[in-house]
Parts: sequence; C-alpha cells; structure tokens
Amino acid sequence: SAVISQKPSRDICQRGTSLTIQCQVDSQVTMMFWYRQQPGQSLTLIATANQGSEATYESGFVIDKFPISRPNLTFSTLTVSNMSPEDSSIYLCSVGAGGSNQPQHFGDGTRLSIL
Amino acid sequence: ELKVEQNPLFLSMQEGKNYTIYCNYSTTSDRLYWYRQDPGKSLESLFVLLSNGAVKQEGRLMASLDTKARLSTLHITAAVHDLSATYFCAVWGVGNDMRFGAGTRLTVKP
Repeated sequence: SAVISQKPSRDICQRGTSLTIQCQVDSQVTMMFWYRQQPGQSLTLIATANQGSEATYESGFVIDKFPISRPNLTFSTLTVSNMSPEDSSIYLCSVGAGGSNQPQHFGDGTRLSIL
Repeated sequence: ELKVEQNPLFLSMQEGKNYTIYCNYSTTSDRLYWYRQDPGKSLESLFVLLSNGAVKQEGRLMASLDTKARLSTLHITAAVHDLSATYFCAVWGVGNDMRFGAGTRLTVKP
C-alpha cells in the first residue's frame, strides 16, 4: 500500500495569511485527493488532482481559496489562502486505490488552527 | 449527487454486546469502504466491499454489502474497549471520487 507523507502535521496561523500543505507519495499514483475534516465532522472532498491537468473542485470550494498543484505523479500541494477561523480543520491528502479492490489511502493530515 | 447516510451517529455499548452500524447510499456504486479513525489520527482502512452479497470479517468486525438495497452494515460482535473509535463508511461515486458518511462515534464501556 502507498505511504503518504504530509507536511506540516500541524500549524497555527494568523488570520489573512496563507499556508501550503505538501503531500508526498512513495509511488506513482494517477489520482490524488484533498479532503477537509472540520472538528468532530466527517470528511468533505475539496478537489481531485490529476497530474497534467487542472484540479477538479467540488461544490463550495474554489481555486482562488484552495489552489492545488500536481507537478508529478508523486507530489501535490494544497494552499489554504487568506485564512479565517472557519478554515480551522484537518486537511487530508489521499491517493486513489491501486486497483478496485484496494482502499484509498490517507496521509496523517495537517491540523490547522487559525487565530 | 451521491449521498451517504450513516447511523447511528453515536453509539455507546457495553463490553461483550453486539451491535450494527448502517450505511445507506443514494446512487449506484460498485465500491464501498469502511474506515476507522482514532482521535487525533488519520483513517485506517478496514474493509473494501465490491460486489452484491460481499461479506468480510476481521476479528470482531464483519461488513456486508447489498447493492440492490444500497446498504452496507458493519456488525460488531462481543465489543471490547479497543474498538472505541469513529467508524466511517465511504462510497465510490461515478465521478471517480469517494463520499463519506457522517461517521459513527463508538464508545465501548466496561
């Protein structure tokens, strides 16, 4: 199964600033996903990032707020821009299943608090 | 749009008892997943269910899938404290993405 390294693991940021979260995978993967998990809540898909194409954003998420890069098959970044306290969440990187019988794997997450 | 409903949202059990968590989804799918999340941790995969009638078991947990009813169950047998966690079902949608249920927060008491 894929090993996913996510950085930073946590951060405390000031309102109005931006933070870039990195996701590194130990193998080449086609599909990478970014999720948000607000405190005590389930996971909500932010966007799907495929290498060589623009990220596809879910309803309620826009590129200006959450720009994503996917420069190669093992790496992606998610930026949370112009942060407000409502952005305080856990952000999780996930990679697509290697086959239909494999689970989707998740990084350890980035715990983000906005003051 | 794919909707995934999970219940109950909170479950408090006595050790040794049995219980079932339910996961309903709104559109056709050929993949359903169960995950476990411990506080402050990421998600751990438990089961992948791919076909109608699929049943998988690991220790005290057993998951099943009925694609016709669009229903999956996670059955807990003789619960122990170590099973205390939040359990999520997730369904693979036609848009090549995965949608999660709200999660069931399970507490097993001695």
